[in-house]
Amino acid sequence: QQQVKQSPQSLIVQKGGIPIINCAYENTAFDYFPWYQQFPGKGPALLIAIRPDVSEKKEGRFTISFNKSAKQFSLHIMDSQPGDSATYFCAASRGGTSYGKLTFGQGTILTVHP
Amino acid sequence: EAGVAQSPRYKIIEKRQSVAFWCNPISGHATLYWYQQILGQGPKLLIQFQNNGVVDDSQLPKDRFSAERLKGVDSTLKIQPAKLEDSAVYLCASSFGGDEQFFGPGTRLTVL
Repeated sequence: QQQVKQSPQSLIVQKGGIPIINCAYENTAFDYFPWYQQFPGKGPALLIAIRPDVSEKKEGRFTISFNKSAKQFSLHIMDSQPGDSATYFCAASRGGTSYGKLTFGQGTILTVHP
Repeated sequence: EAGVAQSPRYKIIEKRQSVAFWCNPISGHATLYWYQQILGQGPKLLIQFQNNGVVDDSQLPKDRFSAERLKGVDSTLKIQPAKLEDSAVYLCASSFGGDEQFFGPGTRLTVL
């Protein structure tokens, strides 16, 4: 029940394309859903995050779509650039005694060709 | 603002040896996390500290892993004895108290 399932494992797009990465969760107690970006040799960095009270959040070229009834959320990258090539992780956490305990998806390796 | 510092960046040891990793969180961040990231997987939380107290260590293999955060600032994670399956990147993260966690660059451990 603590799992977060992420797909696809890898994704290749051309510059300007719109890659979409999907995540699904089981635990309805999760109330915070961040996306992290990780470059080789670096730690993950927070990209954008959403809470279940909204269905969409946009920050620059990055958009999270959230479907509470389906227990799914996705990351869209508009006008993708070669510099967006990285590994992307979705995650989820809940409040209470588990506050801050992130459960990560398996990751998606994104390659954006020039 | 300086980020989360970790050392060493790389470590190679033989199985059954011991190893220790060090983390210095962002100044003022009360919460500190240690994650294990096996190649091709997402990070997995090992232990969470609030100041110098343990909040969650449910996924820490306590027969071989230990961690401490003396004085509520720096932290060390130790493995003794190491096994082949401990080969991974060990990430330290900190947070001020909100949701966002700031990660260090990690220590890549190879156990031969």
